[in-house]
Order: sequence, then C-alpha cells, then structure tokens
Amino acid sequence: NAGVMQNPRHLVRRRGQEARLRCSPMKGHSHVYWYRQLPEEGLKFMVYLQKENIIDESGMPKERFSAEFPKEGPSILRIQQVVRGDSAAYFCASSPSRDMGSPLHFGNGTRLTVT
Amino acid sequence: GQNIDQPTEMTATEGAIVQINCTYQTSGFNGLFWYQQHAGEAPTFLSYNVLDGLEEKGRFSSFLSRSKGYSYLLLKELQMKDSASYLCASGGITGGGNKLTFGTGTQLKVEL
Repeated sequence: NAGVMQNPRHLVRRRGQEARLRCSPMKGHSHVYWYRQLPEEGLKFMVYLQKENIIDESGMPKERFSAEFPKEGPSILRIQQVVRGDSAAYFCASSPSRDMGSPLHFGNGTRLTVT
Repeated sequence: GQNIDQPTEMTATEGAIVQINCTYQTSGFNGLFWYQQHAGEAPTFLSYNVLDGLEEKGRFSSFLSRSKGYSYLLLKELQMKDSASYLCASGGITGGGNKLTFGTGTQLKVEL
C-alpha cells in the first residue's frame, strides 16, 4: 500500500513527556501537512512543509510544538512536555504538488492520549 | 479569516437521495473540497469545485456557487456504507501550497 503512513496509530503519554509522531507521505509526494482533530471539532491546520523547509506554521502553538521534514526519512511532529489538552487525533496529509486543487491524501492518524 | 458552516448531523434512508449543504466565508478562496471520513479512519477525497456549477462523479455530485458562498454534496442511491462524516473544506494558497480549512463535518446516518 503506497498510501500515507502514520505511526504510531495510538500513543499514550503522561503529562510532561514528549510525543513524536511520524508520517511518511505517498511515494512521489513532497508536500506534507499536519492537522489536529479534537472531538466534535473539525480538522485544524497546523503546519505545511516541503522537504527540509517549513513553509507555513501559522497553525502551530507557539510553544512545545515543532515539525520537520528532513531530506531523508519521515516527517516528524514533536510535542514536548505534553498536557491533557494535547489529547487529539493528529492527521498527516501529502500532495504531489502545490497546485490549487491538488487534493490532500490523508493518513489514518495518530491518536494521542495524555494521562 | 475563514468560516465554514455545515449541519452537524443528518439521517436518510437507504436508496434515497440526500443533500448536505455548506456555506463558507473565506478570504483568498481557492476552491471547495468535500471529504468523507468514517469513524477512526482517514478522510478520503470526494470532490473539488473551483468554478460555479455541478460536478458529477458516479453517485456523488458537488455544486458550487461562489457568489453565494455556498456548496452542496449530493449523494444518490444511498447505501449503508455511506454512513460517515462528510467534511466541507475551502482551499487557500499558502506559500504555494494547498492549505485547507475544514468545517466540523456532517455526520450522516443511513437507515434501512
């Protein structure tokens, strides 16, 4: 299956720990987006990356959150010192181009639970 | 800013037709997307409209009126497997990318 791969599927962390979420885009896709989905809420944009570059991080909380998309390997969303409010589903999406209308292909998400 | 409104939930009968409406108020509008999301799964792309009018794709059709800030998704010959959340999203360019702003989704329940 050459779809967007996210791991882990479920992640449990205690308050204060770090969470690392991984995303491998579809083959041939160099544009990666991270979204967060809280219960009863829509998907909220967090960050848009291309290889080795953060293009738009306007949806990222100012502290504790960071993202990268290195030349080799998956994109990583890192949350330091997690708090209960970080509990959510985090979805990664990729697209083959930045053309208007190029649909995003989503992974199955990582469900983070902070205890 | 971006604001997207769609009904929270709808119920319809197997074999029937259902229309899910979406209104939007966005700056820098670059098209309207519809996604389907089953519980616990990834959103999957259904349709994209950038020009006014109706786009038909099998049992699913999507309509856009840019002047009214309005779109709808039409599902025909409903099947039980169509029970899912339907997400309306507006596209906007950010640094050349296709950043989407999503509504909260319409939970569709298909009954016998």
